[in-house]
Amino acid sequence: EVQVAESGGGLFQPGGSLRVSCAASGFTVSSNCMGWVRQAPGKGLEWVSVIYDNGQTYYGNSVKGRFTISRDNFKNTLYLQMNSLRVDDTAMYYCATIPLAGTEYFQHWGPGTLVTVSS
Amino acid sequence: EIVMTQSPATLSLSPGERATLSCRASQSVSNSLAWYQKKPGQAPRLLFYGASVRATGIPVRFSGSGSGTDFTLTISTLQSEDFAVYYCQQYKEWPLTFGRGTKVEIK
Repeated sequence: EVQVAESGGGLFQPGGSLRVSCAASGFTVSSNCMGWVRQAPGKGLEWVSVIYDNGQTYYGNSVKGRFTISRDNFKNTLYLQMNSLRVDDTAMYYCATIPLAGTEYFQHWGPGTLVTVSS
Repeated sequence: EIVMTQSPATLSLSPGERATLSCRASQSVSNSLAWYQKKPGQAPRLLFYGASVRATGIPVRFSGSGSGTDFTLTISTLQSEDFAVYYCQQYKEWPLTFGRGTKVEIK
């Protein structure tokens, strides 16, 4: 069974950094496309980042240059490194699987990890 | 970027009624359109991809249609568990974009 589970959220200061993780089971992260989607409190869904099986990466305009998506093949884990945090990065962060490069809809989702950016 | 516009913002209906949700793209996305259901405290759930292909485990009372710029999600007979927020998402072009959602609430 395909499962993903996020971790690493918490309270962080503006300008700070954190890395959220997404542990996968039932499939191999390195052989699949995956992505991050976030939802700010009271707001809608916002795409954050995608990584292809070949390592190619894509970012939403609001996080480009600040966030980096990566993966650890041995740990079968996806990561999102978040730098230069802003208050408007406060959101629930979800990782999800993508079935195939070129068909970037989000198939299997984790329960999310809450990131709060506040001084 | 492609802007996805969902209407109405809120739909107030009773169990057993039919729900019709609209999603319009600012330019053609062909059939590169997905629908999700989101309940408070839960992860989003994929309903449809390719505009009309039902995801695994999605009941047949849900249907998706449309292509190009105009798409519709229909719930034929609302069940209590269907009251939620529904989002459309295009994956035709980068950046990937979601609509703002339609909340289906109990009347």
